[in-house]
Amino acid sequence: AQSVTQLDSHVSVSEGTPVLLRCNYSSSYSPSLFWYVQHPNKGLQLLLKYTSAATLVKGINGFEAEFKKSETSFHLTKPSAHMSDAAEYFCVVSATGGGNKLTFGTGTQLKVEL
Amino acid sequence: NAGVMQNPRHLVRRRGQEARLRCSPMKGHSHVYWYRQLPEEGLKFMVYLQKENIIDESGMPKERFSAEFPKEGPSILRIQQVVRGDSAAYFCASSRAGDLGYEQYFGPGTRLTVT
Repeated sequence: AQSVTQLDSHVSVSEGTPVLLRCNYSSSYSPSLFWYVQHPNKGLQLLLKYTSAATLVKGINGFEAEFKKSETSFHLTKPSAHMSDAAEYFCVVSATGGGNKLTFGTGTQLKVEL
Repeated sequence: NAGVMQNPRHLVRRRGQEARLRCSPMKGHSHVYWYRQLPEEGLKFMVYLQKENIIDESGMPKERFSAEFPKEGPSILRIQQVVRGDSAAYFCASSRAGDLGYEQYFGPGTRLTVT
């Protein structure tokens, strides 16, 4: 079985300040981990993915995430938030033995203020 | 290169009617996944299909829901006798292969409203 827990349902930051969205995962197998972003009334866009290569993963729009096996974490960060980053972010796990079906976290709504 | 296409984008049905949601995968993709997103929740896996085969339907409700991916044409998610609780956004994703780590590309979703 596999699951993800997104520790914050809402995060609010000021424009230009760092972003940290937290995610912990649980998996019986070696996981692949993803972060997706969903803008209002839009589909999902892949930000980045980890598939057992480098533990620090760089994605689009300046986002990155670090896979920490000892902490079972895959937190998403960005050094400087932009207004256009306001959206909902989903941490997602897919694991060997589970096919390629994705298991989504409940999402973190990111608000960026001036 | 067109992305994953879903239609209709919005669908309104009365209780008891049937809803048919269509998904055309990206060119070159033969693996299709359907997910449902209830209000204020994350996406939940429903079913995984390859051409003419259902590979994993562990997330599908046992009654009223069915899915197919024929040799020709789009994948169809069919909901019979819809109820208010079926109101949700239904997302389709496709990938080039079913192996772990292959990226799934998502369509824009179909927002179903049952009145």
